[in-house]
Parts: sequence; structure tokens; C-alpha cells
Amino acid sequence: QVQLAESGGGLVKPGGSLRLSCAVSGFTFSDYYMSWIRQAPGNGLEWVSSISSSGSTIYYADSVKGRITISRDNAKNSLYLQMNSLRAEDTAIYYCARENVGGSASYWPHWGQGTPVTVSS
Amino acid sequence: DIQMTQSPSSLSASGGDRVTITCRASQSISTYINWYQQKPGKAPKLLIYGASSLQSGVPSRFSGSGSGTDFTLTISSLQPEDFATYYCQQSYTIPFTFGQGTKLEIK
Repeated sequence: QVQLAESGGGLVKPGGSLRLSCAVSGFTFSDYYMSWIRQAPGNGLEWVSSISSSGSTIYYADSVKGRITISRDNAKNSLYLQMNSLRAEDTAIYYCARENVGGSASYWPHWGQGTPVTVSS
Repeated sequence: DIQMTQSPSSLSASGGDRVTITCRASQSISTYINWYQQKPGKAPKLLIYGASSLQSGVPSRFSGSGSGTDFTLTISSLQPEDFATYYCQQSYTIPFTFGQGTKLEIK
């Protein structure tokens, strides 16, 4: 059974830092691309970042580029999101998700429960 | 960036109704569109991928269609558990983008 569990969220002051983690189980972590997607309170979904199975290819949304770093440890079955220079607009629930590829389509069939990040003074 | 525009933003319907939600992409995305359902306080759930492929375990009353720029998600006969918010998402190119959501409410 595929499971993803985020942790590390919390309250942080503007300009502060936070590191989110996503522990996975139930599948071979090193075979899959992984992503972070966030949802601001009362708002829609926003893709944040994706990382390839080996970690060699990384993508970021422009809204977080230069402030956020995605990484993974395949030996520990864990995905990370290091967030620096946090702003009020980064306040959101952060989800990790496993990507599937079927034919040429890519999609997220597995999501964690989310971890809340609040940026406020 | 590719903009995904859903319509309507909200919709009231009754159990047993047939419901269609539309998503329009700002440029052609072939069939690189996925649909998700989200209930309050929960993570999104994948319903449809690649425009028309039903995710395993999703009831067959859900279906998707379209290609290019215009896509639809159809629920053939609404069940109580279907009242939720629905999002389309394009996976054609980075940055992946979502529609703004369609909230399906009980009439």
C-alpha cells in the first residue's frame, strides 16, 4: 500500500526557513519522480517543484525559484523541501505526491495528507 | 505558462443529475490533462488522467473527454459522495498548472 507522510510544517516568521519532509512506503521510491504541490487557505492548487527518480533533474515554479530547494534521499525513502526567505504568500498546505507515467501522460495518483506552513510575524 | 480555465466556478445539482465541468487550456495540450476531486480537509484524489483514462478504483460514472484546448469531466449520475471541488491540471509542460476549481454543491 502506497503511503506518503509529510512533516515539518509549522509557524515561521517572514524571512525564516523551514524544512519539510515526506516519508514514503509501499513502493520502490527510487523508481519515481516526486513533486510538491501546495494550497493556500481557501485557494486552489499550485505546483511547486518536481524531482526525478535519481535527483538529477529538478524543476521549480517561478514563484519559489531561488528560495526553495527540493531534494531526496533514496536510501531513506524520503523527499525534502528546504524553504528559505519565506513570505506570507508561502502560507499553504504542502502536499508531496508521487508521479506516475502512463503512456505519455504524467499524473499524481498518490498524495500525502499535507503539512501546514504558516508564515506570519 | 499555460492557463487552465474551468467553468463553471460553482455548480448546484441534485443526486442523480448528470453534470459536466469544462476546462479550457490557453494553448493546445493534446490530451495531457488530469482531473482531481478534493473534499474539505483532504488531499486531492486523481479521477481521470490523460484526458479520458479512468484511474483505478474510481467509479465508472466519472468520465473525461477532449483534446487540444477543450476538455470535459462528466459525472453521469451524481451520488452523495460526489459533492466536492474538482480541478483540472495540465501535464503538457512545466510549470504544471491547475484550473481554479469547480465547487459542486447540493441543490
